Amino acid sequence: AQSVAQPEDQVNVAEGNPLTVKCTYSVSGNPYLFWYVQYPNRGLQFLLKYITGDNLVKGSYGFEAEFNKSQTSFHLKKPSALVSDSALYFCAVRRVEGTGRRALTFGSGTRLQVQP
Amino acid sequence: DSGVTQTPKHLITATGQRVTLRCSPRSGDLSVYWYQQSLDQGLQFLIQYYNGEERAKGNILERFSAQQFPDLHSELNLSSLELGDSALYFCASSSRDRVFDTQYFGPGTRLTVL
Repeated sequence: AQSVAQPEDQVNVAEGNPLTVKCTYSVSGNPYLFWYVQYPNRGLQFLLKYITGDNLVKGSYGFEAEFNKSQTSFHLKKPSALVSDSALYFCAVRRVEGTGRRALTFGSGTRLQVQP
Repeated sequence: DSGVTQTPKHLITATGQRVTLRCSPRSGDLSVYWYQQSLDQGLQFLIQYYNGEERAKGNILERFSAQQFPDLHSELNLSSLELGDSALYFCASSSRDRVFDTQYFGPGTRLTVL
């Protein structure tokens, strides 16, 4: 079985400061990793994914994430936060092979609050 | 806008009733996934269809069923509804049935069971 942990329910950061939203995963074999963002009363929007290759993945709206296999982590980062980045962020994992590989397993979500 | 549409946006019904949620995938996408988002369970995978065939099942209750039609739209049927079925139901679609395919989510249907 696979699982995702997002250890922080909420992250507060001032506008213009760098932000990090943490994610660790547990999966048998290799993982595919995803980040999604959910704004109020909206669906999940895809931000970025790690499939293979470069451990640093760049995505939408200036976000990036670093895959660290030894630490089983996939933290989301942005060099300079905007007030409009305030939303709920979800990390998700999918197994590369084996049963259960079709399902996305999500973390519990981290609420990002960017103060002006 | 992801290109995935879901209807209705909101649904209020009573316990014991049956409802149908509808999803239209992005143009050209063959896979459809259904997820349930609730406060206590978080986001959970329910079921996947690919080109009309069921491909994977998650934590879907026996009271729930789904299908994908020849035009690729999908419906999730929820019956004998209970208070605990109140949740946000998302549909997602992807181009094929490959593990690395990105799933694009619709805006969701909020179901309230009274």
